[in-house]
Amino acid sequence: AQTVTQSQPEMSVQEAETVTLSCTYDTSESDYYLFWYKQPPSRQMILVIRQEAYKQQNATENRFSVNFQKAAKSFSLKISDSQLGDAAMYFCAYRSDFNKFYFGSGTKLNVKP
Amino acid sequence: DSGVTQTPKHLITATGQRVTLRCSPRSGDLSVYWYQQSLDQGLQFLIQYYNGEERAKGNILERFSAQQFPDLHSELNLSSLELGDSALYFCASSRLVDEETQYFGPGTRLLVL
Repeated sequence: AQTVTQSQPEMSVQEAETVTLSCTYDTSESDYYLFWYKQPPSRQMILVIRQEAYKQQNATENRFSVNFQKAAKSFSLKISDSQLGDAAMYFCAYRSDFNKFYFGSGTKLNVKP
Repeated sequence: DSGVTQTPKHLITATGQRVTLRCSPRSGDLSVYWYQQSLDQGLQFLIQYYNGEERAKGNILERFSAQQFPDLHSELNLSSLELGDSALYFCASSRLVDEETQYFGPGTRLLVL
């Protein structure tokens, strides 16, 4: 079965600095999708960025980018120029070929002014 | 606002009772997913429906059931409730059965006393 691991329960970053959140996954599938979701205190899940496994190019969305290492099964999220509004729980997620989603346990990001 | 609506926002009930959670997907979305987020287990995929038919099943208990109606709204029925069922229940939707991006609703917070 697929598993998603986020080894950093909590991280802190200074406003305007850069932070990287780690995610690893385990799978035997060759085609899949990976996501990062943000969950602010309101508890709503918000899509931050997605990556197709067949694409070698790393996805980028404004200040958010990923470092996708398929062979290493690693999918980290880099947040540049951190803002106070970035403070939230961040979840890494994997979508299998069978359309099941698996989520990591989350990383709580604190942003210091 | 993702366009996915869930009702009710909060629900308090007693052990042994039955409740129904409702979800309306984004306009045009045919696929609905249900998730459970509890404090100690993270986000767990329960079940997916596409255009009225069950498409994928995750860690859904036998006491739980779901359905998707012709107007595409979905209901998650939880019966014989236990204290451990207290959690945040999310609904998400996507346009296609295998579309990689899901849009999450605000969630229903269930408290079983």
